[in-house]
Amino acid sequence: EAQVTQNPRYLITVTGKKLTVTCSQNMNHEYMSWYRQDPGLGLRQIYYSMNVEVTDKGDVPEGYKVSRKEKRNFPLILESPSPNQTSLYFCASSFGTERGYGYTFGSGTRLTVV
Amino acid sequence: GNSVTQMEGPVTLSEEAFLTINCTYTATGYPSLFWYVQYPGEGLQLLLKATKADDKGSNKGFEATYRKETTSFHLEKGSVQVSDSAVYFCALLSGGYQKVTFGTGTKLQVIP
Repeated sequence: EAQVTQNPRYLITVTGKKLTVTCSQNMNHEYMSWYRQDPGLGLRQIYYSMNVEVTDKGDVPEGYKVSRKEKRNFPLILESPSPNQTSLYFCASSFGTERGYGYTFGSGTRLTVV
Repeated sequence: GNSVTQMEGPVTLSEEAFLTINCTYTATGYPSLFWYVQYPGEGLQLLLKATKADDKGSNKGFEATYRKETTSFHLEKGSVQVSDSAVYFCALLSGGYQKVTFGTGTKLQVIP
């Protein structure tokens, strides 16, 4: 089944403790992206990647890091999480820069930082 | 920059009622337009899309027409069901690097 897999689904952590949210896709998509979803703000892009070793900042990159060492994986790293990073996170992928391709989304990771 | 504006929710309808969720956009060039749906506890799923002016996207009884003159992409369904209860996001894709801008979402609740 074609899908984007995120782990974990739920995570509670303490301020300052480094964490990684994994994302993997099995569709050979070139493009991958991370979003956070907050009430009243919709989805905001954190980082995106056009292909292996090519990443760039989205609209709200502060406090996050990413890497794209393999085509299928795009982990999101929070080096020193803070409470304002409590949110619902989604990883998404698509075929690339052709017009009209939609995203395939993962099921989300609900992160709470206390 | 690009932006998407959706009508405020929540929208509450009775089963079999007609649905319209308004969406307008601001973008440079000729964006592609999308509607995504998010069911409770799940990620977003692509519902329909349109890639050029006057295109109509349709899926599962939902429709939306790309109106360049009014910069709109309103979502419609003739007869909603309880199973349509979800949050609906309008989105646009502009630029050569898959930059997608989402609206804030509209929650739809359909009551029997």
